[in-house]
Amino acid sequence: QVQLVESGGGVVQPGGSLRLSCAASGFSFNTYGMHWVRQAPGKGLEWVAFIHSDASNTYYGDSVRGRFTISRDNSNSTLYLQMNSLRPDDTAVYYCAKKEYNWDYLDYWGQGALVTVSS
Amino acid sequence: DIVMTQSPDSLAVSLGERATINCKSSQSILYSSSNRNCLAWYQQKPGQPPKLLISWASTRESGVPDRFSGSGSGTDFTLTISSLQAEDVAVYYCQQYYTTPPLTFGGGTKVEIK
Repeated sequence: QVQLVESGGGVVQPGGSLRLSCAASGFSFNTYGMHWVRQAPGKGLEWVAFIHSDASNTYYGDSVRGRFTISRDNSNSTLYLQMNSLRPDDTAVYYCAKKEYNWDYLDYWGQGALVTVSS
Repeated sequence: DIVMTQSPDSLAVSLGERATINCKSSQSILYSSSNRNCLAWYQQKPGQPPKLLISWASTRESGVPDRFSGSGSGTDFTLTISSLQAEDVAVYYCQQYYTTPPLTFGGGTKVEIK
């Protein structure tokens, strides 16, 4: 069965950095593009970033472009999100999610990692 | 970017009654090559991640009860819960995948028991 397990969340001061990991299992990780989606407390879903299966292309939402970097290690079936210059409005639960093979709907989600940016 | 607008923001429905959630896209999300609409519906229960319910506007995922149905085409879509059960209390989101990136979601509709 598909499993996505995020780690690396925590409390960080404004301007700080944090790296999230997402360990994948139960599917051929190197075949699928992967997304990060976040959800601020009590708010809706916001798409953050996407990476192709072979890491050839990456895309970012406007609010994180230039500060966040998505990457992957296909040999270890792990997805990453490096977050720099963090701001209080980056406070959210961050989900990694697997896309369907050809289309960008998200058929499996992790449980999420909480990132709190506060002084 | 395609903007997704859901209505209502919340609704309270009696057990066994019908719940209807609307989702409107700012442009058509009908993929003409296959005549299918690039719209997904997700269910998010409290404290849980979203779960994919429906893709292609009307195709239920495996294991999703048949009381959930999706309909619509072009720019206007509906998620219907035909007979609300207690376990259906959740927030429901629509998402377009016609033009990505970015993935864009509706603002969510909270379904509660009246």
